[in-house]
Amino acid sequence: ETGVTQTPRHLVMGMTNKKSLKCEQHLGHNAMYWYKQSAKKPLELMFVYNFKEQTENNSVPSRFSPECPNSSHLFLHLHTLQPEDSALYLCASSPRPGQGAYEQYFGPGTRLTVT
Amino acid sequence: SQQGEEDPQALSIQEGENATMNCSYKTSINNLQWYRQNSGRGLVHLILIRSNEREKHSGRLRVTLDTSKKSSSLLITASRAADTASYFCATDRNTGNQFYFGTGTSLTVIP
Repeated sequence: ETGVTQTPRHLVMGMTNKKSLKCEQHLGHNAMYWYKQSAKKPLELMFVYNFKEQTENNSVPSRFSPECPNSSHLFLHLHTLQPEDSALYLCASSPRPGQGAYEQYFGPGTRLTVT
Repeated sequence: SQQGEEDPQALSIQEGENATMNCSYKTSINNLQWYRQNSGRGLVHLILIRSNEREKHSGRLRVTLDTSKKSSSLLITASRAADTASYFCATDRNTGNQFYFGTGTSLTVIP
């Protein structure tokens, strides 16, 4: 897990707050991902970035805003969230996007609670 | 949906026994991967099997893939208490770089 770090590890925020989640990978990868993991549900892919460019947005509400300033850093900006957004948010990276078989390396996640 | 679906949802065994979990999916894939997740933590990659492979081994792990049945199985032999975790299969789409995960199998190994 030390290859991909996430901060903060836990976050409690009110529905009117604005906060950001940070992800950093030290593996030299070119693709980064945000996932949402809720209880009893499959892991949901939210966003994909390849070489800093967003390539996937799986119908994520606009209250989630990703930012990828470079291939090593990924942010998820949060504003006016709803209680149902409470979940574990996982960041992942992979060596190369698209073609070929590759594995994803996950960070430890940020446990988000919206009150 | 193309996501993998694991079966059973929960499995409890004694240390030393073998654990088998299954994954089914709906459309053709390039690769299938298995991941492990300890409680409240990130996922850790275990093994990848390509669509043209039928079986793969890694230590105490054995993965099979049957593309005609669109299913895969993960066997953990001689289980240990440290194997207690949730196990997920992930399938990829033929194009793009999206993975589809299921809800996982929660494995408990009793010492």
